[in-house]
Amino acid sequence: GQSLEQPSEVTAVEGAIVQINCTYQTSGFYGLSWYQQHDGGAPTFLSYNGLDGLEETGRFSSFLSRSDSYGYLLLQELQMKDSASYFCAVRPVSGNTPLVFGKGTRLSVIA
Amino acid sequence: DGGITQSPKYLFRKEGQNVTLSCEQNLNHDAMYWYRQDPGQGLRLIYYSQIVNDFQKGDIAEGYSVSREKKESFPLTVTSAQKNPTAFYLCASSMGRMNTEAFFGQGTRLTVV
Repeated sequence: GQSLEQPSEVTAVEGAIVQINCTYQTSGFYGLSWYQQHDGGAPTFLSYNGLDGLEETGRFSSFLSRSDSYGYLLLQELQMKDSASYFCAVRPVSGNTPLVFGKGTRLSVIA
Repeated sequence: DGGITQSPKYLFRKEGQNVTLSCEQNLNHDAMYWYRQDPGQGLRLIYYSQIVNDFQKGDIAEGYSVSREKKESFPLTVTSAQKNPTAFYLCASSMGRMNTEAFFGQGTRLTVV
């Protein structure tokens, strides 16, 4: 089976940097994805790590280490609009299962 | 503009009634999915379809049914057998099973009274 663990809540100050971790137990997967969801809205795709290492997209970066079963999303220069829930997700290799999501981390950005 | 559309955004139904949630996409995606989200929770998979006229149960399929008669459409029926149907329902699509990016609709918030 697959399970992904994320902290349930994180609070950070506007302008700061925050890291949201995702640890997983899965037999094999294609890569680690991150999604952002504002309250009442749809999740939107942020980033994908197919290989180990760091991927950077503007203020957001994502990291994967398969040997450590660990990944993270890094948000820099935090803005109030970054307050949202962030989900990590994997697509398992085995079976016929689509994306499996973590329970999400609610990020609150404060002034 | 290409996208995925769910309707309605809010839906109220009496207990014991079946209700169908609409999901349409014009992205030419092969795969479509239904997820359920409860407050403070992640996304749990209800059903998914990788090709027309074929679909598979997800983790919480009991009390739900789907059809995939057209590539663009993947409606979800919440039946009276679903014990706790009040939730936020999200439809998504992707190019295929191998694809790691899913596109989501805006969701339907179903309240059963």
